[in-house]
Amino acid sequence: NAGVTQTPKFQVLKTGQSMTLQCAQDMNHNSMYWYRQDPGMGLRLIYYSASEGTTDKGEVPNGYNVSRLNKREFSLRLESAAPSQTSVYFCASSETSGRGNEQFFGPGTRLTVL
Amino acid sequence: GESVGLHLPTLSVQEGDNSIINCAYSNSASDYFIWYKQESGKGPQFIIDIRSNMDKRQGQRVTVLLNKTVKHLSLQIAATQPGDSAVYFCAENTGTASKLTFGTGTRLQVTL
Repeated sequence: NAGVTQTPKFQVLKTGQSMTLQCAQDMNHNSMYWYRQDPGMGLRLIYYSASEGTTDKGEVPNGYNVSRLNKREFSLRLESAAPSQTSVYFCASSETSGRGNEQFFGPGTRLTVL
Repeated sequence: GESVGLHLPTLSVQEGDNSIINCAYSNSASDYFIWYKQESGKGPQFIIDIRSNMDKRQGQRVTVLLNKTVKHLSLQIAATQPGDSAVYFCAENTGTASKLTFGTGTRLQVTL
């Protein structure tokens, strides 16, 4: 099992460009999450999907959209990238969305917006 | 707003010594806490968790202590090894879903 995979690993964008970060998990988990991590800070939740077909905003959703394509895949889209979105993005999954469920994280995508 | 934070940004310990990493939380309604380890260039990795109906929980070489009176939890690592060098985060499970609020992290440096 690969666990949680993310593509790409690195990306450089110019202000105003768009892109989609891809995430997939092979653990048959119901819930998936997108976080961003800025230098010297903890992770902050952008969006999450409690189950296939549902998505909800997290702490910092502005400037992002998500799609739960199927049970395995959860993508994050930046429609018009801004320098403030320079960050490392982590995808995670858990068996369910209930409290106390361990989240498994992917290796991250390092995004730079010039 | 409510937040989870850490006292020390960097902790340097000698190999073989015990390490203690501290975390303060402000949401008195929090009832579930997790410690994560993040190595350079990798995603966070679950270490241990604890629910608010417990004061202490032990794992392999790690112990988490929870003091609800002062809203403080700590992670103790016994016989610290070079492979323990990483950034450690405490996180709080907020709300009704499995949404995590992370602290800012403590970097643990293990010296030989």
